[in-house]
Amino acid sequence: GAVVSQHPSWVICKSGTSVKIECRSLDFQATTMFWYRQFPKQSLMLMATSNEGSKATYEQGVEKDKFLINHASLTLSTLTVTSAHPEDSSFYICSASNRADTEAFFGQGTRLTVV
Amino acid sequence: DAKTTQPPSMDCAEGRAANLPCNHSTISGNEYVYWYRQIHSQGPQYIIHGLKNNETNEMASLIITEDRKSSTLILPHATLRDTAVYYCIGTDGNKLVFGAGTILRVKS
Repeated sequence: GAVVSQHPSWVICKSGTSVKIECRSLDFQATTMFWYRQFPKQSLMLMATSNEGSKATYEQGVEKDKFLINHASLTLSTLTVTSAHPEDSSFYICSASNRADTEAFFGQGTRLTVV
Repeated sequence: DAKTTQPPSMDCAEGRAANLPCNHSTISGNEYVYWYRQIHSQGPQYIIHGLKNNETNEMASLIITEDRKSSTLILPHATLRDTAVYYCIGTDGNKLVFGAGTILRVKS
């Protein structure tokens, strides 16, 4: 299957700082990528849809000014958690597909811990 | 996206077939049934998907009822490494909305 890579795999940051997470499609072009968040013992929660060359579409209840998404190229989307707080500590996962009618592939996830 | 219902957990003996059910009675005609699994602390892994016909690949088989209101994922010879949370999702695109899934425990 296609490969989606996230970086970093884990990060620890101080409260009040910003953290950027990268999601890359390594062997295909992705016009659309998705960002999810997962808290311990819970399912994945869709945060936003990242569209190449345009603004992201956020799910209800997700603050767009706190979770900045940039999709500058067909192989890279970034999620920046701004002014992070301990409650933002979570597992962040991206997915991508090269076509709307085929399966999406997921990155390995990024474990964010805010201290 | 279609609402799906799965049992919260299942056990399976190693080497035996694991049959994971999913109800999706509200699925629309253009929505596919996708199955993913997530092993602890990893991103979800694609398993298989189908629309109307049964499907088989190197990982699993997908049996979809004729009325498309339910489906069953079959892992023919479960191994300990198949222990994971399995998600059944109905969608017509790549935007996947995850439910609680089924925790499959494969035991030796």
